[in-house]
Amino acid sequence: GAGVSQSPSNKVTEKGKDVELRCDPISGHTALYWYRQRLGQGLEFLIYFQGNSAPDKSGLPSDRFSAERTGESVSTLTIQRTQQEDSAVYLCASTPQGGYQETQYFGPGTRLLVL
Amino acid sequence: LAKTTQPISMDSYEGQEVNITCSHNNIATNDYITWYQQFPSQGPRFIIQGYKTKVTNEVASLFIPADRKSSTLSLPRVSLSDTAVYYCLLRPSGAGSYQLTFGKGTKLSVIP
Repeated sequence: GAGVSQSPSNKVTEKGKDVELRCDPISGHTALYWYRQRLGQGLEFLIYFQGNSAPDKSGLPSDRFSAERTGESVSTLTIQRTQQEDSAVYLCASTPQGGYQETQYFGPGTRLLVL
Repeated sequence: LAKTTQPISMDSYEGQEVNITCSHNNIATNDYITWYQQFPSQGPRFIIQGYKTKVTNEVASLFIPADRKSSTLSLPRVSLSDTAVYYCLLRPSGAGSYQLTFGKGTKLSVIP
């Protein structure tokens, strides 16, 4: 595709519910990254995919957070039993090969609000 | 990852040159200096990256002094559409550099 896309754009959920956030990277990009951005804050790294494998999950804040990637394309970030502190913008980025210095191309993000 | 410090906000009039300085006193030898731009309700967008001296592209220039403890992003003749948050970050050339760590950035407001 022309760029990284994410869905939904906005998600409002109740505390305790599970949510799934989707990322479609740029076609052909093998590396995919998830970040979280709280209101007025910088980015927090969550997880990195190379192909369908996640060699670095170090940023996932708790075991309520998980992510998968299939077909070396779409990725889904799942948050179970959501808490109010999970409210944030969740951003996805992709790069062609996952090289250390590659520019990361970001999607528009999913704004999650947990009530 | 080494920490960066930048002003929280800046105002500028249209048509002026804007310089945003970032301090990174503990920069490592293998760190590159990278700047991203973020508009409201959008993901960050890469602007420019450099290691030393000066780098220029169609969008901006990046000035890095010899000691590399600071860097200055220069935006020529800004327009209203340049209103955004600008992030300075350090990226090591080795493993782990894919973990982009943004601070709070500098909120640039361009005034008509």
